[in-house]
Amino acid sequence: DGGITQSPKYLFRKEGQNVTLSCEQNLNHDAMYWYRQDPGQGLRLIYYSQIVNDFQKGDIAEGYSVSREKKESFPLTVTSAQKNPTAFYLCASKASTEGLGDGYTFGSGTRLTVV
Amino acid sequence: AQKITQTQPGMFVQEKEAVTLDCTYDTSDQSYGLFWYKQPSSGEMIFLIYQGSYDEQNATEGRYSLNFQKARKSANLVISASQLGDSAMYFCAMREGYTSGTYKYIFGTGTRLKVLA
Repeated sequence: DGGITQSPKYLFRKEGQNVTLSCEQNLNHDAMYWYRQDPGQGLRLIYYSQIVNDFQKGDIAEGYSVSREKKESFPLTVTSAQKNPTAFYLCASKASTEGLGDGYTFGSGTRLTVV
Repeated sequence: AQKITQTQPGMFVQEKEAVTLDCTYDTSDQSYGLFWYKQPSSGEMIFLIYQGSYDEQNATEGRYSLNFQKARKSANLVISASQLGDSAMYFCAMREGYTSGTYKYIFGTGTRLKVLA
C-alpha cells in the first residue's frame, strides 16, 4: 500500500546535537511538507518542497534544514540552533495533479524530546 | 492575515448522538478551501472532508458533513451517530494562496473529542 513512512517514531536528543528525521513516500507525490505540532498550537509549517532539489522555508524554518535529493525522500534535520525542539513532527505530501479538494497525506509522525 | 479559529479545546458526546465542532476563518481571498482532519492517538492526520469557497452545497462524506456559512465565515464539522472510534483530535484547516508552485495550508489549534459509551 502507498503511504508516507516517518522514522523513528520516538527520538531523544541531547542538548547541542543535530538529529535527522526521516520521511519517505511511495505515492509519487511531487510536493512534500514538514509541520511541527505543539500542544494548543496546531500545526506550523517548517519547510516544503515542490520538486527535487528545491525547497522553501515555511513559517518557522529557523533552526531546521532539509534536503530533497530524491522525489521519495524529504529528511528534516533539527540543528542545535533550534532552541526548543521538543515537539511532534509531521511529514505530509500532495500530488500536484490532484484536485484542490484533495487533502494532504500525512505520515504517523516523530515525537522528538530533548533530554 | 489569514487565520483559523477553533474555540472548543475539548468536547464530549454520547455514543450515537450528533456533535458539531466549530471552526471560523478569516481571509481576504475570494477563492479558498476548507478542510477537516482527524488525529487519533496514533498521531497520523486523516483527511475527512473538504469545502470549496464556491461550492454552493455543504460537503458530506458518510457521517461527516460540513456546515458552511460563508457570510459568517464558519465551517463547522458535524459528525452524526458518533462512535467510540471518533474519539480523537480534530483540526480545521484552510488552503492559502498559491506560492512557489504549491498551496500552503494553515491549521487551527484543534478540538479534542471524547465519545462516551
